[in-house]
Amino acid sequence: DTGVSQDPRHKITKRGQNVTFRCDPISEHNRLYWYRQTLGQGPEFLTYFQNEAQLEKSRLLSDRFSAERPKGSFSTLEIQRTEQGDSAMYLCASSREEGNYEQYFGPGTRLTVT
Amino acid sequence: DAKTTQPTSMDCAEGRAANLPCNHSTISGNEYVYWYRQIHSQGPQYIIHGLKNNETNEMASLIITEDRKSSTLILPHATLRDTAVYYCIVSYNKLIFGAGTRLAVHP
Repeated sequence: DTGVSQDPRHKITKRGQNVTFRCDPISEHNRLYWYRQTLGQGPEFLTYFQNEAQLEKSRLLSDRFSAERPKGSFSTLEIQRTEQGDSAMYLCASSREEGNYEQYFGPGTRLTVT
Repeated sequence: DAKTTQPTSMDCAEGRAANLPCNHSTISGNEYVYWYRQIHSQGPQYIIHGLKNNETNEMASLIITEDRKSSTLILPHATLRDTAVYYCIVSYNKLIFGAGTRLAVHP
């Protein structure tokens, strides 16, 4: 257990539905990252926050995806109008300030879109 | 795209040292070398990182060449639980994962 928690661990939804995932980082970490991992591939960077500010978004993050970290603590990732291609493991990680600080990953949320 | 090149797979006998190589010839001056591993269906686990000097912790040792264009992760006494995909990443901030090396430790 790294101290990063994610909820839910598994989500099955029908195409076209909206889903929201939550990540609780290690409490003293002010950086929070979201990654997506499909079967057989390494994780892909989606976005990250420094406190409540979203500092970078990957071009992988389409308009249907939105992430928030309203109080600089937990974060949510919402996917609107889900598609089968959204099926993946969504990973959250946290770290201290930028630079040479390692990221600690949560267990992930596995999304299946039917 | 990932800035590292790793072998697709490696084998190691239990109890022996596992030496995992990584090439990162385009590494920038402020980028660190990180190693993570991922055991099936779990989130990636941080192992070790370094900038220029060799590093050692309770899990592994990291050897970085003087020109910083390559590195080696050493697991000194591999166990069956070390079977995983090992990712070598050069980064200052966000992590860009490649395909990694699938290490199989066998009895």
